[in-house]
Amino acid sequence: QSVLTQPPSASGTPGQRVTLSCSGTNSNIGSNYVSWYQQLPGTAPRLIIYRNIQRPSGVPDRFSASTSGTSASLAISGLRSEDEADYYCAAWDDSLSGLYVFGTGTKVTVL
Amino acid sequence: EVRLVQSGAEVKKPGESLRISCKASGYEFASHWIGWVRQMPGRGLEWMGVIYPGDSDVRYSPSFQGQVTIAAATSINTAYLQWNRLKASDSAIYYCVTHMRGRREDLDSWGRGTLVTVSS
Repeated sequence: QSVLTQPPSASGTPGQRVTLSCSGTNSNIGSNYVSWYQQLPGTAPRLIIYRNIQRPSGVPDRFSASTSGTSASLAISGLRSEDEADYYCAAWDDSLSGLYVFGTGTKVTVL
Repeated sequence: EVRLVQSGAEVKKPGESLRISCKASGYEFASHWIGWVRQMPGRGLEWMGVIYPGDSDVRYSPSFQGQVTIAAATSINTAYLQWNRLKASDSAIYYCVTHMRGRREDLDSWGRGTLVTVSS
């Protein structure tokens, strides 16, 4: 069901900057807000970015995001061991009768 | 603070029925969309659908239309996800989620998840 494409994995050493990509289409990223979710091992996902670039309270400013056309990206600067998790992008998709779609997910490993 | 408390893990046999629940607190339950997300073992996230408790307007993902029923009881601030005949492929973790900014926007709060195991 995933219609947003993400690389399966990414890695970095502590302190580095890691950028995750998310590719969609005009019916989702191209016309609706993008959100990002972090899922730590064995836990429920949590929202870390909404409305393309906004951070909920409590999310460190090491997390930043952007969109361009039908693509989105999430950057994690000053990578920390506790950032090791799965990251999912998501957006509403206007096709069919409309549905919320997630990306395939990227596993971030802190080396 | 929004809080979503989900019912406990379930073990069922194929063909059985099941209803899991999600009790919400910390916000006006009737006035915000609440929905469900599936995560199969070792897999990604799938949005199943949402309900607006105030008028019981339900929207399903095409992948789940006809497979499950989403409902809500405003008197007890609880959302439900129901199956009439479970299949082994329904084994997954099911998360309750809120769409406080609207059903087309982000899933701002998540429950801890309910593990459903369907096995003969």
